[in-house]
Amino acid sequence: TQLLEQSPQFLSIQEGENLTVYCNSSSVFSSLQWYRQEPGEGPVLLVTVVTGGEVKKLKRLTFQFGDARKDSSLHITAAQPGDTGLYLCALGEGQNFVFGPGTRLSVLP
Amino acid sequence: ETGVTQTPRHLVMGMTNKKSLKCEQHLGHNAMYWYKQSAKKPLELMFVYSLEERVENNSVPSRFSPECPNSSHLFLHLHTLQPEDSALYLCASSQVQREGYEQYFGPGTRLTVT
Repeated sequence: TQLLEQSPQFLSIQEGENLTVYCNSSSVFSSLQWYRQEPGEGPVLLVTVVTGGEVKKLKRLTFQFGDARKDSSLHITAAQPGDTGLYLCALGEGQNFVFGPGTRLSVLP
Repeated sequence: ETGVTQTPRHLVMGMTNKKSLKCEQHLGHNAMYWYKQSAKKPLELMFVYSLEERVENNSVPSRFSPECPNSSHLFLHLHTLQPEDSALYLCASSQVQREGYEQYFGPGTRLTVT
């Protein structure tokens, strides 16, 4: 069974602060995706990374895929209340996806 | 309608009932998925249909029965469920040929089994 961990489990910060959340796997996968999920809604895809060492930026969000393709980080600069939600990472091998338990982020105004 | 839609959004059913969840994707994708999201547990992949053929089953109990009549529609038929089956059921779609198989999710059906 593939194990996918995310840390921290919960994070509460003030508006304007920076933060980093992590996703770690016990196995190598071909691709990794980050999603954000708001209460009562389905996850929304933020980014897909497929190359070890790859870095992608989406406005204030920076995503990095580890060289060994077993870990990833998501860094948010100057967090805003609209960033509040559950951040999920998912590792894919073909069409088989394994999701992490998520990091629940709360950004207070 | 755009994206992935799911109906109903909320469902309460008894353990002896039979009901169905419906998913429709308007993205032109050729793969569809059912996931279960329970409190305090990660999303669990239940079924995958690629080009209308079931690819993954992941040892889901037989009281859950999927149906994919075409590439745009996906159903999950439910019968004799247990209270522990109460969860958010999410449908997703993707384009198999695209790198990374990016999945697009619907809003989910919140199921409560009484």
